Order: sequence, then structure tokens, then C-alpha cells
Amino acid sequence: IQLTQSPSFLSASVGDRVTITCRASQGISSDLAWYQQIPGKAPTLLIYAASTLQSGVPSRFSGSGSGTEFTLTINSLQPEDFATYYCQQLHYYPPITFGQGTRLEIK
Amino acid sequence: QVHLVESGGGVVQPGGSLRLSCEASGFTFSDYAMHWVRQAPGKGLEWVAAISYDGGYDYYADSVKGRFTISRDNSKNTLHLQMNSLTLEDATVYYCARVGRYQLLYWYFDLWGRGTLVTVSS
Repeated sequence: IQLTQSPSFLSASVGDRVTITCRASQGISSDLAWYQQIPGKAPTLLIYAASTLQSGVPSRFSGSGSGTEFTLTINSLQPEDFATYYCQQLHYYPPITFGQGTRLEIK
Repeated sequence: QVHLVESGGGVVQPGGSLRLSCEASGFTFSDYAMHWVRQAPGKGLEWVAAISYDGGYDYYADSVKGRFTISRDNSKNTLHLQMNSLTLEDATVYYCARVGRYQLLYWYFDLWGRGTLVTVSS
């Protein structure tokens, strides 16, 4: 299963609302997660099962979608949100696959 | 505090071997399946291998099958990745990651280590 994220690069300002898309090459039901990776750090789980917020993750993060198209939305961007975001599918495995990443930078 | 700490990375020649370790603390290690995920500098994430909570099952990415072996010692709360016949393509940061549900082999990764860097160079 291939996951394609768009855009690959995103420039936004603090307070903005941004949306990142992840498209799967085949239907994967809702078996998708989103991770955040700050440079030099390990990824952290933000959302699983397409729309369930991981414990401790701020409510400005939300996920939606099913089948082949999924979105991660961040409302009211905060300085600590500027990072790279990856989607991951857990429907067909092994192998587990990740999207190529979306780098979110401060405008 | 729950933690995963990788070690064992370093510089190795092409064709060489290296053994990575991941020490777990703050949770019952033997209750959780574990995975290795790697990331080349500036690149995306690539799943490498998985092992069940009891060590009875393991799975590998095609790119490492036959060269890498995942194992665990639940008495020492430690996960390992034995890497043989290393190539330039194996030079990445290796992360260990915990499956976030009790005894499931495949689920989302709710805990990651900080990674250990493997450099392959002659």
C-alpha cells in the first residue's frame, strides 16, 4: 500500500488553520494514523484510527477520512506545531507503510 | 515515566554487522509487541521489523529479510536488532517503537525511542 501526502511542504503562520492530505493506493478503511516529528526527535502519535485523538494531544489537532482519502487538520497553529507530519497505514501488513511526510514551516 | 532507549549504533564497513538494543523502562515490557523503524537523514520513515510480545512471531520488511533478526529478552526488558551484511542503504537512524495495545502485534506506535544512528562506510 502506498501512501501519498500532499503537500510535501507547507508554509503557514501562527494562528492559521492548515490541512494535510494522505491518499492511499487502495482502500484501508479507517486504519490510519498521523504522527508528528520535530527535527532531531522521534515521532509522536497524534491521531489513530483516522480520527481518534491520542491521549494528551491538543484538541486543535483533528483527523478525518476513510477508504483512500484522509486529512489532518490543525486549527490555530502554535509555534510548537511546526514540524514534519507523517501518515501511516495499518490495514494491509506487513509491511506497515508511511507517507513521505509533510514539512510544516513558519511563514 | 515510560522510556525506550536505543543503543549500539556506530560506524561499520559495508558487509559488516551490528547489533542494536532498545532498553525499556516504566512499563511491563513483556506485555507489548515491539517494532523497529528507520529513517535515513532527511528522509521519511521505513518500517523494518516486528516481534510479538512473547517473541514467538517476527516479521520483516523485504529490504532486510534474511539479513536482519529481531529478538527480545523479556527478563531484561530489552529488544534487539541483529543486522548482518550491511549496505550503504542501511545507514539510517533506527528507532524502536512500542505497539500501543496490550499483546497486539500490529497497532499504532504510542512510544518511540530517540533513535540510534548507523553509519555504513568504508
